[in-house]
Amino acid sequence: DTEVTQTPKHLVMGMTNKKSLKCEQHMGHRAMYWYKQKAKKPPELMFVYSYEKLSINESVPSRFSPECPNSSLLNLHLHALQPEDSALYLCASSLQDKGTYEQYFGPGTRLTVT
Amino acid sequence: ILNVEQSPQSLHVQEGDSTNFTCSFPSSNFYALHWYRWETAKSPEALFVMTLNGDEKKKGRISATLNTKEGYSYLYIKGSQPEDSATYLCAFGQAGTALIFGKGTTLSVSS
Repeated sequence: DTEVTQTPKHLVMGMTNKKSLKCEQHMGHRAMYWYKQKAKKPPELMFVYSYEKLSINESVPSRFSPECPNSSLLNLHLHALQPEDSALYLCASSLQDKGTYEQYFGPGTRLTVT
Repeated sequence: ILNVEQSPQSLHVQEGDSTNFTCSFPSSNFYALHWYRWETAKSPEALFVMTLNGDEKKKGRISATLNTKEGYSYLYIKGSQPEDSATYLCAFGQAGTALIFGKGTTLSVSS
């Protein structure tokens, strides 16, 4: 199984809502990533988890809260988002969080904040 | 600020044409250079990970070269097919840092 799955595929939420994005992989990868991608821009790294511990937080606002309950799952909890947070959120995993390992991406969650 | 530049931004070719595009990255503290292919409505898919100056990698009709001293990588597609239509992303890594992605080159191949 070389697949990274993400749910939901699409999400529309109001600025006062609380929602969560989920990501799952069963490849035994120990590094998992959240990226944000806006139209015509490259994916921007948000968070990296290595062996279930947060290793990189790219100065992401606290309204985004990551969680890694186990080595296969990665969540992104959303609260009090702004319309400018509307984007495609991509999850990825790799064997380890070294740059020499290719990353496997999920299909993304398209988030719209109204 | 580390910058990864890809050119051209978009490209339109006819079926059967060969094409290539460029990824430029900082030449200092090089660690790895990745190429990904991203088809519409699908997940980005890794094509190559290159770590050594002079590396050449090949997968079917697609190949890539790496020059870490001057900070560039080329991706070549031989005999383009409509199914090659996608956005091709490169990503650069320095030791101890996360990957930095370029904006991509969007290739459109018409039959």
